[in-house]
Amino acid sequence: DAKTTQPPSMDCAEGRAANLPCNHSTISGNEYVYWYRQIHSQGPQYIIHGLKNNETNEMASLIITEDRKSSTLILPHATLRDTAVYYCIVRVETNAGKSTFGDGTTLTVKP
Amino acid sequence: EAGVTQFPSHSVIEKGQTVTLRCDPISGHDNLYWYRRVMGKEIKFLLHFVKESKQDESGMPNNRFLAERTGGTYSTLKVQPAELEDSGVYFCASSQDGQGRNNEQFFGPGTRLTVL
Repeated sequence: DAKTTQPPSMDCAEGRAANLPCNHSTISGNEYVYWYRQIHSQGPQYIIHGLKNNETNEMASLIITEDRKSSTLILPHATLRDTAVYYCIVRVETNAGKSTFGDGTTLTVKP
Repeated sequence: EAGVTQFPSHSVIEKGQTVTLRCDPISGHDNLYWYRRVMGKEIKFLLHFVKESKQDESGMPNNRFLAERTGGTYSTLKVQPAELEDSGVYFCASSQDGQGRNNEQFFGPGTRLTVL
């Protein structure tokens, strides 16, 4: 699976959009971009995933660049409960289990 | 609907002892995964079951770790004998399908293992 690079930490004001970047310059054509988050000591929580088109669900939006070498997770209206470590993972969709989470980005939402 | 559950939530044992962790996946999920995070490191994949069969166990660190999923329902992960470096948080996850749009993994709260 391709390696990803994320900033170690970010701050965001409550109510504002949080934009979390991820670089995956060695991504292969059949690899998807997945985002998970881990709130405090809970288990990781799936957020969203996509291949090349932008995706949106009730939690977030995922913007993938045309060359697929980077992506951005957008939390449109961050709340204090969105404070968590956010992980960007790339893997083939048929290889759901085998992934390495990396260090992720610690997002702190401030009042 | 109940999520993935893990038992115990915490376990403290001495080096050389045996510990068995249990995971109950979401009902109807054929795929079950074990991950772990040892201190200061990343969350790492351990293995993947499809029903009762081991699909991928490439992440298992050594033969002191034994995972089973008899009957294709709950799974156990036994560490025997436990070593200090086994301390960490062990996560279990399940998914409906291993591929396609239903391969979203739902994680349990984890078991925090401390080996003294």
